[in-house]
Amino acid sequence: EAQVTQNPRYLITVTGKKLTVTCSQNMNHEYMSWYRQDPGLGLRQIYYSMNVEVTDKGDVPEGYKVSRKEKRNFPLILESPSPNQTSLYFCASSLAGPGSYEQYFGPGTRLTVT
Amino acid sequence: DAKTTQPNSMESNEEEPVHLPCNHSTISGTDYIHWYRQLPSQGPEYVIHGLTSNVNNRMASLAIAEDRKSSTLILHRATLRDAAVYYCILSGGANSKLTFGKGITLSVRP
Repeated sequence: EAQVTQNPRYLITVTGKKLTVTCSQNMNHEYMSWYRQDPGLGLRQIYYSMNVEVTDKGDVPEGYKVSRKEKRNFPLILESPSPNQTSLYFCASSLAGPGSYEQYFGPGTRLTVT
Repeated sequence: DAKTTQPNSMESNEEEPVHLPCNHSTISGTDYIHWYRQLPSQGPEYVIHGLTSNVNNRMASLAIAEDRKSSTLILHRATLRDAAVYYCILSGGANSKLTFGKGITLSVRP
């Protein structure tokens, strides 16, 4: 089944403790992206990757890092999480740029930073 | 970036057609019109997209006005499972990102 998987689905952590949220897709998609969703602010893009080893900032990249060493994986790294990073995170992928191709979204990771 | 305007919410009855409007008066010639939806507690889901001509797929139809300043997502027969937030989004080309707005919340009455 074609899908985007994220792990973990739920995470409660403390300020400053490094964490990684994994994202994997099995559709051989070139484009991958991370979003965060907050009440009243909608979905905002954090980082995206057009291809392996190519990543770029989205609208809200501060406090996050990403890497794209393999086509299928696009982990989101929070080196020193803070409470304002408490949010619902979605990973997405598409065959190529999302302007022309449908994006597939993962189920989401709900992160709480205390 | 060209923006879209959608009503905040809409109600429909189960098994009846639903027409969800979207205005995009500043659309440019290369902007695609995308629709995604987000069911409660799930990630967004692609519905349909088009450029100039009307489009149909298994989920819905997209009717695009001749001047492209507005479009309508048509669900031919609403089910309870169609209750969701529907986002109308413009993209400026193949590599453009999608900027999600607030969307329209569709409620479906049994």
